[in-house]
Amino acid sequence: KAGVTQTPRYLIKTRGQQVTLSCSPISGHRSVSWYQQTPGQGLQFLFEYFSETQRNKGNFPGRFSGRQFSNSRSEMNVSTLELGDSALYLCASSLASGADTNYGYTFGSGTRLTVV
Amino acid sequence: AQKITQTQPGMFVQEKEAVTLDCTYDTSDPSYGLFWYKQPSSGEMIFLIYQGSYDQQNATEGRYSLNFQKARKSANLVISASQLGDSAMYFCAMNGGGFKTIFGAGTRLFVKA
Repeated sequence: KAGVTQTPRYLIKTRGQQVTLSCSPISGHRSVSWYQQTPGQGLQFLFEYFSETQRNKGNFPGRFSGRQFSNSRSEMNVSTLELGDSALYLCASSLASGADTNYGYTFGSGTRLTVV
Repeated sequence: AQKITQTQPGMFVQEKEAVTLDCTYDTSDPSYGLFWYKQPSSGEMIFLIYQGSYDQQNATEGRYSLNFQKARKSANLVISASQLGDSAMYFCAMNGGGFKTIFGAGTRLFVKA
């Protein structure tokens, strides 16, 4: 079966611009989570969506937003990009949400965002 | 607040030997799940093993086993018969209430031939 698809794989943006990243989960998975991975901070939780509802949000500024569509595909948007937003953004899907995710996440390959 | 701690930034192991990667956690949730993921240099995160907080037995998946000591709040990953392909970053993770999974800082494992 198809895995989690993240597009684009690589992105270079200028400070002050905005960017939209896309994630298509595994068919049948209703939960999508987003993480920011940097060498210094590790994997930081951004938000989790389940059936189009945001269930939780991490400690990121309001410039980071997301949404989930009825087909479970999800997008995240970062406005007014800063140099510190350069990171690997990972999307993860799972069948259920919260403590029921005993099957573990299936991750996408990530989007490498570079802000110059 | 939930917290995951991995105190070993890097580990070396000889090929075919076993290695233990440490993970301690902190949570006030009575129900939670513990996970280990592998991230090779290619970047993709790979789910390895899961342990539920109410599971009585330690989880095993092939060469991976999770040494779960609930009272000590530890969930160490044991890899038996290490292979060169096991060289990667390994992350311990936990979920509970709040619909999010948090990750530790990771341990980089180097397998020597």
